[in-house]
Amino acid sequence: GAGVSQSPRYKVAKRGQDVALRCDPISGHVSLFWYQQALGQGPEFLTYFQNEAQLDKSGLPSDRFFAERPEGSVSTLKIQRTQQEDSAVYLCASSLTENTGELFFGEGSRLTVL
Amino acid sequence: AQSVAQPEDQVNVAEGNPLTVKCTYSVSGNPYLFWYVQYPNRGLQFLLKYITGDNLVKGSYGFEAEFNKSQTSFHLKKPSALVSDSALYFCAVRDPPYNTDKLIFGTGTRLQVFP
Repeated sequence: GAGVSQSPRYKVAKRGQDVALRCDPISGHVSLFWYQQALGQGPEFLTYFQNEAQLDKSGLPSDRFFAERPEGSVSTLKIQRTQQEDSAVYLCASSLTENTGELFFGEGSRLTVL
Repeated sequence: AQSVAQPEDQVNVAEGNPLTVKCTYSVSGNPYLFWYVQYPNRGLQFLLKYITGDNLVKGSYGFEAEFNKSQTSFHLKKPSALVSDSALYFCAVRDPPYNTDKLIFGTGTRLQVFP
């Protein structure tokens, strides 16, 4: 596709439910990032993939958060047993190589946990 | 740890006037600095970056930024603001190791340009 695509755009979950958020990066982009953006805040780093390898997951807030990119393209961010504090916009970004300095962001998936 | 600070939550400017959105940084080693813009219901978009070289960096949509090492600043500027520039602006710094694009973002500054 022409840009980074994320789905769903909006997700409402009851506390305790599991959710899965999908990111389809720009074709051929090696690097993929997940960020969490709380209301009124800047994006906070969650995790980073280079192709299928998850090289940095230091930003994942708890072991309820899990991300994968099994074939080096599409990525899924899974949140188990959602809590209210997980409510945020989850942003996916990709870049062509590992150090271009330019990330291409999707529009985000807005998660609301009730 | 690398960090950036955006001291203003909001900047208001009249259309046609020059605008400045402030950013200061704290890094160990050489700074790799970026500006991104977020329009309503849109993803963040890259505006410009400073890696090395000239202190004045030109970017998209007529924006530019001035790197000032002595003041540890990287302010975003535009000579003549447009109403369509109204958006949320984020300053960012690359987090080591430098062979990745992992960025640390500021809290953002909302720019409001009035007609």
